[in-house]
Parts: sequence; structure tokens; C-alpha cells
Amino acid sequence: AQKITQTQPGMFVQEKEAVTLDCTYDTSDPSYGLFWYKQPSSGEMIFLIYQGSYDQQNATEGRYSLNFQKARKSANLVISASQLGDSAMYFCAMKGSARQLTFGSGTQLTVLP
Amino acid sequence: DTEVTQTPKHLVMGMTNKKSLKCEQHMGHRAMYWYKQKAKKPPELMFVYSYEKLSINESVPSRFSPECPNSSLLNLHLHALQPEDSALYLCASSQDRSGQTYEQYFGPGTRLTVT
Repeated sequence: AQKITQTQPGMFVQEKEAVTLDCTYDTSDPSYGLFWYKQPSSGEMIFLIYQGSYDQQNATEGRYSLNFQKARKSANLVISASQLGDSAMYFCAMKGSARQLTFGSGTQLTVLP
Repeated sequence: DTEVTQTPKHLVMGMTNKKSLKCEQHMGHRAMYWYKQKAKKPPELMFVYSYEKLSINESVPSRFSPECPNSSLLNLHLHALQPEDSALYLCASSQDRSGQTYEQYFGPGTRLTVT
């Protein structure tokens, strides 16, 4: 069975500062992928970044980077230079041998001006 | 183009109505998904279609009936719904090759209210 844990229900960050959203996972699959999605209040789930379990380097996409620590089973999302438009719900998700994504409970990020 | 479209954006229906939700993608993806999402909760998988065949049904009540007419389209037919079925319904698509992991791209969702 797969499990994703996001322990921060809500986070606040000052505009232009960096913020880390925590994600830990549990799986017995040797090969898996980790994803982060952003969901603004409008509802659409926006794909942000992907990390494969065998990738040697941490994934980066613009202001987003994934701090992947395989031994600790953590896949934290780092957002640099926060913007007001970053205020949203953020979901960590994992896909292993099963066809479906397993989502965490989400973190509501609020960027303060 | 990573766009998945869904119609309608909002839907209000009575418990005796029959309605359909539509989803379309033109990314050449061969896997399509329906999710149900309640407020402040993560999406819950309902159905997965792979190469236009239903591959996963997560014990969804029969009042929800999926259909995949072709590789670009996915429908969700609704009949005799209950008020607790009110939620955001999200469609997603992804590439689908055995042994590979691909990201899913989501549509904007349909906000369904059952009265």
C-alpha cells in the first residue's frame, strides 16, 4: 500500500521569501514517481514538478524545486521568491506499480503582501 | 498543449435528473481518469480508462456511469444522484505505457450541486 503524509494543513509566507512544503511517503514499490500539484480556489489541479525514484538529481522547474531524500522517504517542495499568485492548496502525490495517484491531504499556502 | 477541457463548469441538478459531464483532451494521451473532490480534501479516484477500456472502477455507485467514446473523450453520466454527491468532479489524462510513470494533467473541473 502507498501512503503520502503532508503534516502542514496551513502555511504562511511573506511575499518574495522562500517556503518549504513537507511531504513524506511510504511504499514498498522499488520504482515510483512523486508529484506536486497546485490547486487554486478556482479548482483546477496544476502539475508543478515530478521526481522519479531513480533520478539522481533533485527536480527543478523554474521557482519550484523538489528536495528528494530517498532514505528519509521525503519529497519536500521548495518555492523560491513567493508571489501572491502562489496562494493555493498544494498536494503531494505518488504513483507506484498501481495505475493511480495517491494524494496527501494537502497544504494550504497563503502568501502575505 | 497540455489542456484538458471539461463541460459544464457548474451544474445544478435534482435527484431525479439525468445529466452528463464531458471531458476532452488532444494530447494523444491514452489514459483518462475521473476524480471526485470534496472541499478541502484531496481528489478521490473514481474511474480509469486505458486505451478506451475501463481498467479501474473504485467501487463507485452505479448512479455514476463512465463512457469513453474515443481516445480523446470521456463522459460521466449521472442519474438519481444524492445530495452527498455534490462535489468538484475532475477529469485527468496521462500517457500510458507499462512500466513508466507519467504526470496526469487535470481539467478545470465541474462543480456539481445536487438538490
